[in-house]
Amino acid sequence: EVQLVESGGGLVQPGGSLRLSCAASGFTFNNYWMSWVRQAPGKGLEWVASIRQDGNEKYYVDSVRGRFTISRDNTESSLYLQMSGLRAGDTAMYFCAKYDGYSLDYWGQGALVTVSS
Amino acid sequence: QSALTQPRSVSGSPGQSVTISCTGPSSYVGTYKYVSWYQHHPGKAPKLMIYDVNRRPSGVPDRFSVSNSGNTASLTISGLRTEDEADYYCCSFAGSLYVFGTGTKVTVL
Repeated sequence: EVQLVESGGGLVQPGGSLRLSCAASGFTFNNYWMSWVRQAPGKGLEWVASIRQDGNEKYYVDSVRGRFTISRDNTESSLYLQMSGLRAGDTAMYFCAKYDGYSLDYWGQGALVTVSS
Repeated sequence: QSALTQPRSVSGSPGQSVTISCTGPSSYVGTYKYVSWYQHHPGKAPKLMIYDVNRRPSGVPDRFSVSNSGNTASLTISGLRTEDEADYYCCSFAGSLYVFGTGTKVTVL
């Protein structure tokens, strides 16, 4: 059974940093692109970042490029999102998701990030 | 990276059909294999419903189907059931990036 479990969410002050983790199981992690998707309160889903199987190709939405870094550890079957320079607008539930082709076939339950003073 | 356009809400009675449109640049939505659809019950993980033009993952009922025309993809839910009440999002690959639709709330009356 595929499982994606996010952790690391919490309350952080504006300008602060936070690192999200996603523990993957039930599939061969290093065979798949992975992604982070977020949902701000009362808003829709927003793709944030994607990373290739070997970690050498990464893409970001414009609003986080230069502040967020997606990474992965294939030996640990884990995905990460290092977030810095956090803003109130980054407040959201962050979902880890697995790609299959051009779609996201499995998602985690999410980790809540709140940016507030 | 503008979001794809969806109606804010649609509604129908049990047993009826509802259709959700998803409109965007032809380079995104017009390449139909790039478009996928997700169901999201608040507080839960989003669920893939349709991918690769009109394919359904195992366990998704055939009440869910997609039609495509030009730069619009449309998700139809036939035989509406109470458990179909949720938010629905289209999403398209956009040349290394991904763009979600604005989301549609489906209400079962």
